[in-house]
Amino acid sequence: QSALTQPRSVSGSPGQSVTISCTGTSGDVGAYNFVSWYQQHPGRTPKVIIYDVSERPSGVPDRFSGSKSGITASLTISGLQADDEADYYCCSFVGSFATYVFGTGTQVTVL
Amino acid sequence: EVHLVQSGAEVRRPGESLKISCEGSGYRFTNYWIGWVRQMPGIGLEWMGIIYLADSTTKYSSSSQGQVIISADKSITTAYLQWSSLKASDTGMYYCAATRNGEFAWPNWGQGTLVTVSS
Repeated sequence: QSALTQPRSVSGSPGQSVTISCTGTSGDVGAYNFVSWYQQHPGRTPKVIIYDVSERPSGVPDRFSGSKSGITASLTISGLQADDEADYYCCSFVGSFATYVFGTGTQVTVL
Repeated sequence: EVHLVQSGAEVRRPGESLKISCEGSGYRFTNYWIGWVRQMPGIGLEWMGIIYLADSTTKYSSSSQGQVIISADKSITTAYLQWSSLKASDTGMYYCAATRNGEFAWPNWGQGTLVTVSS
């Protein structure tokens, strides 16, 4: 159960788009459409912003979108805003252990 | 709406035991899985394990297996995370999270319990 691989940091100017990748294996990301993404501001609890690869919970802006191809999932933030500056974690169900694994986390900086 | 309330911050010495709790409320909450997530200072999120409140089925991550015990009391819709012998490396923030059975994302989170292990 190794952590999923994410870039350590990404950055963009307000209004731009950024994409965060999340690479797993054929036993987790590649096996199930149960990838979710969490936003965590400093000192706050994580908040789910994408579930089941590309679904948005109610209240999450459509600037956040998710996708998956093979063993890599992606989160795209369009129209970057100052409040998007946070840490982002992907998460996948791992069938062989019937549990979950997080990504290594990506810090998004709004320039 | 599901609401999770965790027990307060704890300070312990290495070798001591500890049990922290996560109480849930909401409609048919026994039909939920509760997970425990560790976040060490300045580090990312790490799953420790999950438990199904209805029958206490428990699954541990490979790194937590044998290091902690996850349990639950469905009569009071509360899950627990316990250590028999703490180490300094157990210092961190511990979150519980909840999801309905059959769903695979975690929309509900407790406020976190800070555990400090220091001599």
